[in-house]
Amino acid sequence: DQQVKQNSPSLSVQEGRISILNCDYTNSMFDYFLWYKKYPAEGPTFLISISSIKDKNEDGRFTVFLNKSAKHLSLHIVPSQPGDSAVYFCAALPWGYTGTASKLTFGTGTRLQVTL
Amino acid sequence: GAVVSQHPSRVICKSGTSVKIECRSLDFQATTMFWYRQFPKQSLMLMATSNEGSKATYEQGVEKDKFLINHASLTLSTLTVTSAHPEDSSFYICSARKGQGEKLFFGSGTQLSVL
Repeated sequence: DQQVKQNSPSLSVQEGRISILNCDYTNSMFDYFLWYKKYPAEGPTFLISISSIKDKNEDGRFTVFLNKSAKHLSLHIVPSQPGDSAVYFCAALPWGYTGTASKLTFGTGTRLQVTL
Repeated sequence: GAVVSQHPSRVICKSGTSVKIECRSLDFQATTMFWYRQFPKQSLMLMATSNEGSKATYEQGVEKDKFLINHASLTLSTLTVTSAHPEDSSFYICSARKGQGEKLFFGSGTQLSVL
């Protein structure tokens, strides 16, 4: 049962344009969401997060939007750069996630290719 | 940012042998480390949570006798795949939590191929 879904396995965007990566979740207990970026042969690195008390969080070129009623979040990258080409994973934590026992549920990832 | 080192990056072994994978936090102490497995085109699946000085907590469906986890110090956790079989072939990756924050720092992963 895939509780966090990224339905687009890949996405190709021209340099300078906006990249929009989508993520849907089914578990209403999820309360905190994170995006990770992964280059080949490297581990995922944290990119940006959002708490359910917000509907938007921005950090430079990266913005995450959360629509709780739709159980949907998206990552916007503007403007996209070739160095953004990577696999992006969304992940979720349940309510009451504080403490060492908390654990992330990951989506299947979306491979972003930013072309020149 | 914090650095987590994972070795080896790739291992090929014969069926029936055991393989040990190391995960080290290089510049911070990690009271909690996590071990994940990823099959092709699937998400990272948590296998177990490793707390320093105590027994690991395994996720449902993960055999603790097959996947031995040792977290002997605040900077090192090991995963040993015992009596590996071809179906154990997968990408294994560790992560470490720095302090009580929710940011996790990941190792670079280990691609295990069992012949």
